[in-house]
Amino acid sequence: QKEVEQNSGPLSVPEGAIASLNCTYSDRGSQSFFWYRQYSGKSPELIMSIYSNGDKEDGRFTAQLNKASQYVSLLIRDSQPSDSATYLCAVIRAGFQKLVFGTGTRLLVSP
Amino acid sequence: DGGITQSPKYLFRKEGQNVTLSCEQNLNHDAMYWYRQDPGQGLRLIYYSQIVNDFQKGDIAEGYSVSREKKESFPLTVTSAQKNPTAFYLCASRLTRTGSNQPQHFGDGTRLSIL
Repeated sequence: QKEVEQNSGPLSVPEGAIASLNCTYSDRGSQSFFWYRQYSGKSPELIMSIYSNGDKEDGRFTAQLNKASQYVSLLIRDSQPSDSATYLCAVIRAGFQKLVFGTGTRLLVSP
Repeated sequence: DGGITQSPKYLFRKEGQNVTLSCEQNLNHDAMYWYRQDPGQGLRLIYYSQIVNDFQKGDIAEGYSVSREKKESFPLTVTSAQKNPTAFYLCASRLTRTGSNQPQHFGDGTRLSIL
């Protein structure tokens, strides 16, 4: 079992729809959770971080964390073609200094 | 502006040649990391360093070497022993003094190809 798992996609949504990206992790000791966006040929860019159970909203983005289910998700409201990218989920385990990355979910938003 | 600078942006390696990728940060971050990304693949950790003069192997360290003589700098050498070096190389840094909640920030990457 991989430490951090994501569906590779592509996830296709029409412009204006809500895109829902999911991530599961295997270590119950994980404490910090991050979502990065990576455009083709570019480096990953941090878009959200979440540390406690529940929802965290930032503009059109909402991160959701459920530690009991070992599940973290990213919702993108009013999706735009410019949101088309690969979204990487990353996790830090307690006491460790490395982020563990999932392989990413490719999102395609069609006009 | 504070950030992570990787150079060069593009690099070509001849057979049997060692090449060095530069990574400099002015964020006063403690930890620095090197990743390799192949087309359509995820990030794979090559080496990381939490303090000056100390570094640890990641998942795919064979054929690579690093040094951390200064807090700001973490160069990666791709040696001739690395038989398939063509990839996108990403350097990242992270503030660790305040605990484990800090994210990593990435440089713009170096794209390495074989001549």
